[in-house]
Amino acid sequence: DGGITQSPKYLFRKEGQNVTLSCEQNLNHDAMYWYRQDPGQGLRLIYYSQIVNDFQKGDIAEGYSVSREKKESFPLTVTSAQKNPTAFYLCASSTYLGQAGNQPQHFGDGTRLSIL
Amino acid sequence: EDQVTQSPEALRLQEGESSSLNCSYTVSGLRGLFWYRQDPGKGPEFLFTLYSAGEEKEKERLKATLTKKESFLHITAPKPEDSATYLCAPKVGGATNKLIFGTGTLLAVQP
Repeated sequence: DGGITQSPKYLFRKEGQNVTLSCEQNLNHDAMYWYRQDPGQGLRLIYYSQIVNDFQKGDIAEGYSVSREKKESFPLTVTSAQKNPTAFYLCASSTYLGQAGNQPQHFGDGTRLSIL
Repeated sequence: EDQVTQSPEALRLQEGESSSLNCSYTVSGLRGLFWYRQDPGKGPEFLFTLYSAGEEKEKERLKATLTKKESFLHITAPKPEDSATYLCAPKVGGATNKLIFGTGTLLAVQP
């Protein structure tokens, strides 16, 4: 079945440590996104990528980094510079049609990151 | 500034008791509005896309409508399995496919 796989489901970070969240999709989608979800807040965009080897900052990119070396993969690194990393992280993908695009984003089942 | 407000924050219904959820928005250059359903500990599941004022979409017990300033998700004769958080997300202008998510309405349907 086609879909988006996020791993691990739960992740713990120690102070000063970088951690990487995995996101893989087999939907043949061009565009991929990372969101953060906190209680009482809407999903907020961290980074997005419309094509391989290209990505842009979203609204809350500070303390995060990404890479897009393959169409299927868009890993997110939460660096030690992110002072409040505890959250539910969601990866999404969609067909990219540029200005004409109203294609829905499809989501994985998330990674919950906590601080030890 | 782009803003989305969903109301109520939480709604408890008896099975079979119909109701509506509201999504009010102020965004620059609306390019569509998306509704999602989210179960606890899971990612959002796509329900509908609405493109222009007056448009309606239906799926089982759910019907979504759109005006120039708000969208409604009508739930007819809900069942306990409809219990979830419902999120709306207008898409703003530009090529980024950027969605502005509301905080959601937590729906609980009791048998």
